Amino acid sequence: QVQLVESGGGLVTPGGSLRLSCAASGFTFSDYYMSWVRQAPGKGLEWVSHITSTSSYTTYTDSVKGRFTISRDNAENSLYLQMNSLRADDTAVYYCARVDSWYDDYYMDVWGKGTTVTVSS
Amino acid sequence: SSDLTQPLSVSVALGQTARIICEGDNIRTKNVHWYQRKPGQAPVVVIYRDSNRPSGIPERFSGSNSGNTATLTISGAQAGDEADYYCQVWDTITAGVFGGGTKLTVL
Repeated sequence: QVQLVESGGGLVTPGGSLRLSCAASGFTFSDYYMSWVRQAPGKGLEWVSHITSTSSYTTYTDSVKGRFTISRDNAENSLYLQMNSLRADDTAVYYCARVDSWYDDYYMDVWGKGTTVTVSS
Repeated sequence: SSDLTQPLSVSVALGQTARIICEGDNIRTKNVHWYQRKPGQAPVVVIYRDSNRPSGIPERFSGSNSGNTATLTISGAQAGDEADYYCQVWDTITAGVFGGGTKLTVL
């Protein structure tokens, strides 16, 4: 069945780095755009980043631009999020999500269970 | 850019109809998607592109989009529908945009 499994979360001090991974299975990974979405404690969902199927285009929410990098390895059916210069307000559950695309419209049709990132000293 | 506004909470009696709104300037020009998130679980899309229901989502979930308001309607709400609901659009400037979320309580 279609499945996304995130890993790589943990506790990190402010200014530190983490690399999140998302392993995809049950579908042709290289056919789909992918996104990262996060949810901070007590807050709502926040879209973080998006990558096209061939990695030709990436985009980020303003608060992570210059600090986070999304990438993918289609041969390994994997999505990544390199997070640098982490701040306390990056603390959240990070979800990997498959993107359904139609012209310029996108939504997340499959989600992983999430991995927790805590930024604290 | 798109700012989406949702009520913080909506309550509905068991078996009655719940309506959750998502407001945004000219939202009718966007495709609106709705997600359900239960505690400890990943979000699930319940309506995509305004009014389409994915396979496996009960028929009691429906959606509409007109003017400055998109609406998620749950007809005959059940206890298992208690969750947080989020609307989402894709904006060419700000990319993915979620509403603030609405907590649905079934009484």
